[in-house]
Amino acid sequence: AQKITQTQPGMFVQEKEAVTLDCTYDTSDPSYGLFWYKQPSSGEMIFLIYQGSYDQQNATEGRYSLNFQKARKSANLVISASQLGDSAMYFCAMRDFGGSQGNLIFGKGTKLSVKP
Amino acid sequence: DADVTQTPRNRITKTGKRIMLECSQTKGHDRMYWYRQDPGLGLRLIYYSFDVKDINKGEISDGYSVSRQAQAKFSLSLESAIPNQTALYFCATSVGGPYNEQFFGPGTRLTVL
Repeated sequence: AQKITQTQPGMFVQEKEAVTLDCTYDTSDPSYGLFWYKQPSSGEMIFLIYQGSYDQQNATEGRYSLNFQKARKSANLVISASQLGDSAMYFCAMRDFGGSQGNLIFGKGTKLSVKP
Repeated sequence: DADVTQTPRNRITKTGKRIMLECSQTKGHDRMYWYRQDPGLGLRLIYYSFDVKDINKGEISDGYSVSRQAQAKFSLSLESAIPNQTALYFCATSVGGPYNEQFFGPGTRLTVL
């Protein structure tokens, strides 16, 4: 069955430093997409970055990059030069063509706190 | 204007009351979803719809029903609300396939007393 695991319930990072949020996934489908969403304290879900299973290069979007290691089934989010506004919950999610019929499956999230 | 809107944004109701949460989208997507978020549990899928005539149960559909009134509108109903349905509810839309993100509404905070 499809599954997303985020093993870090909470993390702290110093402002201006880089931080890595871990995500591992499990699927038997060769075609899948991996997504990261940010949820600030205001509650909305903000899409950050996407990686397709056939993409050869790691995805990047501004200060966000996705460290995609297909053999290890990991899709870690790297935030460079952390800012106070990065303090939020971060969710890793996956879609595939398999049993979930293309629906998003979410991990339980990591709460990131950026210290000044 | 927001692409995915939800009404109401906040609602307090009493046990046993019927309540409807509404979702509208202007993105032209066929697929719409209802999720529930509880602290520490991430988002869990309640119902999803691939088009007006295709509605499916998700992971936690018991106690909920939905209606897809049009391509752009997808409503979630709690027929008889209970306190453990207190949660943050999200509507989302997408196109099909695994390579496209879902777009989320702002969420509805529901409290059942």
